[in-house]
Amino acid sequence: AQRVTQPEKLLSVFKGAPVELKCNYSYSGSPELFWYVQYSRQRLQLLLRHISRESIKGFTADLNKGETSFHLKKPFAQEEDSAMYYCALRSNFGNEKLTFGTGTRLTIIP
Amino acid sequence: EADIYQTPRYLVIGTGKKITLECSQTMGHDKMYWYQQDPGMELHLIHYSYGVNSTEKGDLSSESTVSRIRTEHFPLTLESARPSHTSQYLCASRNRGAYTEAFFGQGTRLTVV
Repeated sequence: AQRVTQPEKLLSVFKGAPVELKCNYSYSGSPELFWYVQYSRQRLQLLLRHISRESIKGFTADLNKGETSFHLKKPFAQEEDSAMYYCALRSNFGNEKLTFGTGTRLTIIP
Repeated sequence: EADIYQTPRYLVIGTGKKITLECSQTMGHDKMYWYQQDPGMELHLIHYSYGVNSTEKGDLSSESTVSRIRTEHFPLTLESARPSHTSQYLCASRNRGAYTEAFFGQGTRLTVV
């Protein structure tokens, strides 16, 4: 079974401080991992995917297969980063399920 | 414009009524999903579809049913609505292939009174 765990429901960070949103997964294969973001009154949208290895809006995420983690990081938080963040996993073999974690509400304190 | 549409956006309905939540996408995507989400909370996968005439139940048990007769259309039906069905329902679609992005609709906020 595939499962995504985000241990923090709420996270508050001061503007300019580093941000780290934790995500751990369990899956008995090679997963596809994503971070999705939901800003206030907007649709859920893709932030980044692990295969891209790129920085989006200053955020990066590295897949650590040994620790089965895919934490989201940003060195300097900005007020517009306040949103709900979801880590997601999809099997890359057969099963088309796209499973989300419980989400972390990030609040940036001015 | 290529997009994914959900109707209605808001629905207040009495207990026992039959309802259908509509989801349509104009992107030609094979894969479609329904999630249940209480505001600002986790998303629970309740149904998904590989393509036409293929549907599967998700991780969260749901009394709803779905159908996929056409590629672009993935409606969700509740035969007899109950207050416990009050929630937000999100529809999503994605193209075939690895690492493809899932696109989400605006959601339907359902209240059963």
